[in-house]
Order: sequence, then structure tokens, then C-alpha cells
Amino acid sequence: DVVLTQTPPTLSATIGQSVSISCRSSQSLLDSDGDTYLNWLLQRPGQSPQLLIYSVSNLESGVPNRFSGSGSETDFTLKISGVEAEDLGVYYCMQATHAPLFTFGSGTKLEIK
Amino acid sequence: QVQLKESGPGLVQPSETLSLTCTVSGFSLTSYSVSWVRQPSGKGPEWMGRMWYDGDTAYNSALKSRLSISRDTSKNQVFLKMNSLQTDDTGTYYCTRDYTMGIDYWGQGVMVTVSS
Repeated sequence: DVVLTQTPPTLSATIGQSVSISCRSSQSLLDSDGDTYLNWLLQRPGQSPQLLIYSVSNLESGVPNRFSGSGSETDFTLKISGVEAEDLGVYYCMQATHAPLFTFGSGTKLEIK
Repeated sequence: QVQLKESGPGLVQPSETLSLTCTVSGFSLTSYSVSWVRQPSGKGPEWMGRMWYDGDTAYNSALKSRLSISRDTSKNQVFLKMNSLQTDDTGTYYCTRDYTMGIDYWGQGVMVTVSS
């Protein structure tokens, strides 16, 4: 099975600071159709996860453009350019390339200083 | 709008069977697949299994021997049954709407505690 490893496990940032989260896959996430189904989710305290970015770099509707995603095959990055207070929570990467099994990363907790 | 809502008992005895219902609205179960995903407290989510839009099912191999997913399209409901529950099955259980790129909607989740 695909294993997704996220680093760092925790991040502490001040408002306005830019931060990055890494997600590494044990297998390539490049699908035979040419797309790469690596998504980023945010789970705010007490809430369900919500989709931020799909297929590596595509912003879900309504998500602020301070969020961006990049990467390919096995190495992916989520960047927040100018953290805001509402960004606190746990960020997960998730792969859908090797469906039907979806796999999630272990999470990165973002705290606001 | 798209909504998914989980329901079921909050407390299950060890070795008993968990039965959960996911009631959906705003989309058709014959057009979209629905998955069950669980999350132990403080840990990452784990995909459990899927009811495909065509009625087929898929399961996480780690849970396959204990898990069954079914549906009633007339009631817009997807069901989960998992037997032989143990304490490490405690967590929040979500149903999700799946699409080509992954998951686009999550239910609010239902907390399940396995304890005597």
C-alpha cells in the first residue's frame, strides 16, 4: 500500500509568515491517465476535513489564493503565503491515484504564535 | 446543496457489530460513489471502503473480513456494518462523496466509542 509521510508534524507560525508542508509518497502518484491525484485537506478544530487543493496544484473553489501546491511523482509541497488566524488546524495530504484505496498522510498541525 | 449525514449508536460493546447510516442529499447515489472513512482521536483518517455509483463495493484489505457496505438508493442511504469491534475501532466515522480526483464532500462525522 502507498504510504504518505508528512513533515513537519507540527508548525508554529506568526500571522503573515509563509510556511511549507512536505508530503512524500512511497510510490509514484502519477496516474496512467497523466494526472496526479494528490490532494491537500485542512481539518479545523472540531470540524470535518475540507478539500483545499486537488491534483497537486488546483485550488478548490472558495479557497484563498495564499494556498498553493506543487510537486510531482513522489514529492509534494503545500505552501501558505502569509498565514492568517483562520488557517490553524491539521493539514493532510491524500492520494487518490491508487484507488480504490485512498491513503492519507499523518498530518501537520499548524499553530499560530 | 450537497450534504451527507452519518447516524448510528455512539457506544458499542466490544465484540459487537457497528451499524451506521449515511443519508445523502443534493446528489444521486447512482451518479457518485460514497466512501466510509474513520479517524481515531488525534490521528489521521483511514479509508475503510466504498459503495461505487454502479452498486459495486471496494474494501480496505485490513478491514475486509469484518466490513460490509450496502445502500438503498430509494432512501438515498449508504450503510456500514462492521463486526467484532475492539477498542482500537474507537473514533469518528465519516461518509464522503467521492469523485475522480478524490473526495470533495465530507459528512459531519459520528463519534463511536467501543467500551463495555
